[in-house]
Amino acid sequence: QLQLHESGPGLVKPSETLSLTCTVSGGSISISNYYWGWIRQPPGKGLEWIGSTYYSGNTYYNPSLKSRVTISVDTSKNQFSLKLTSVSAADTSVYYCARGDDFSKVFDFWGQGTLVTVSS
Amino acid sequence: DIQMTQSPSYLSASVGDKVTITCRTSQSISRYLNWYQQKPGKAPNLLIYVASRLQGGVPSRFSGSGSGTDFTLTISSLQPEDFATYYCQQSYSIPTFGGGTKVQIK
Repeated sequence: QLQLHESGPGLVKPSETLSLTCTVSGGSISISNYYWGWIRQPPGKGLEWIGSTYYSGNTYYNPSLKSRVTISVDTSKNQFSLKLTSVSAADTSVYYCARGDDFSKVFDFWGQGTLVTVSS
Repeated sequence: DIQMTQSPSYLSASVGDKVTITCRTSQSISRYLNWYQQKPGKAPNLLIYVASRLQGGVPSRFSGSGSGTDFTLTISSLQPEDFATYYCQQSYSIPTFGGGTKVQIK
């Protein structure tokens, strides 16, 4: 069974860079017809797509975050990562990593999520 | 971006009730509309994709319909484990989600 697990600091200071890694187990990240994405959810609010990457390294970002976001993939470690620069309190959220199906364009497997708080 | 409007935002219902949640998009998305269920403290779980296709393992009391700009998620007979928040998501262009519908116990 495919599993995804987010890891990284739970507390980031304002203006600094948020860095998270998603480790994929139970399957390869280097598989055609799937992509790997980050979605976030502020406490008590709805879901926001941050961006997605294919194992080839092709990436797609939410235009509202594009200037601050980098998503990268490390196929040797079966991981993909998120960097979000110049964070503020508005970036406090639960961050999820997920697998996307390239045919149906859905996120069919999700990590459990990790809360990142931006505070000094 | 394609805007998503879900209604209602909150819904109170009893076990056994038929429940209907609607999602409207700001432009036509054909049938590229998906539904997720989220329980407190958990990640969203895919229920329905491409408007009406049931994800594997999802009970048949869940169904979806619609095309263009108007879509519906129906739970034919609400069960205790169905009390959760439901989100629609369009996959016609860059992914966007609806604001959610919280289904509460009456």
